[in-house]
Amino acid sequence: AQTVTQSQPEMSVQEAETVTLSCTYDTSESNYYLFWYKQPPSRQMILVIRQEAYKQQNATENRFSVNFQKAAKSFSLKISDSQLGDTAMYFCAFMTATNAGKSTFGDGTTLTVKP
Amino acid sequence: GAVVSQHPSRVICKSGTSVKIECRSLDFQATTMFWYRQFPKQSLMLMATSNEGSKATYEQGVEKDKFLINHASLTLSTLTVTSAHPEDSSFYICSAGGGRRANTEAFFGQGTRLTVV
Repeated sequence: AQTVTQSQPEMSVQEAETVTLSCTYDTSESNYYLFWYKQPPSRQMILVIRQEAYKQQNATENRFSVNFQKAAKSFSLKISDSQLGDTAMYFCAFMTATNAGKSTFGDGTTLTVKP
Repeated sequence: GAVVSQHPSRVICKSGTSVKIECRSLDFQATTMFWYRQFPKQSLMLMATSNEGSKATYEQGVEKDKFLINHASLTLSTLTVTSAHPEDSSFYICSAGGGRRANTEAFFGQGTRLTVV
């Protein structure tokens, strides 16, 4: 079974600064995907960034980037130039290639961006 | 990305009644759909996996007679909360996977906020 751990229940950052959210996971699978989702107060799950385990290059999406350390089973999210609209709950999630769509989530990190 | 529509977004029902929530994949065929439950400020917990044309697989601790899941077609799965009680009040989210469009990513519905009074 897979597990995903987010050790930071809450974090805050000043607007325009950079923040890093931590995530570790455990699996015996070799082919899998990792995701960061944003869940604003509307509770819609919004995909922030996605990483394929077989790719060594860290994924980036505009102000969002990840630090994927496969051997350490670590997958942190860096948000640069934080904006007020980034305030939300962030979930790290894991999905195996053999069970597409079935996601295992971490407990989440509530991020507050302060003006 | 692919589009998954969940309906209704909010529902209030009386204790003892049943409520049906629909999850539709609008632009792809989802061989598998997943139902999650989320309490406030908590994570999403998988309740069951729904496969088209077969019985759903429930996670440990989830009452299959209370949470009836039907996946009658490749684009529609339904979750029926039977004989609802206040403790069933929660946020329910579906996701769809499988097929060519959704084999490397899950696509989520908007969620349904259920309140049982």
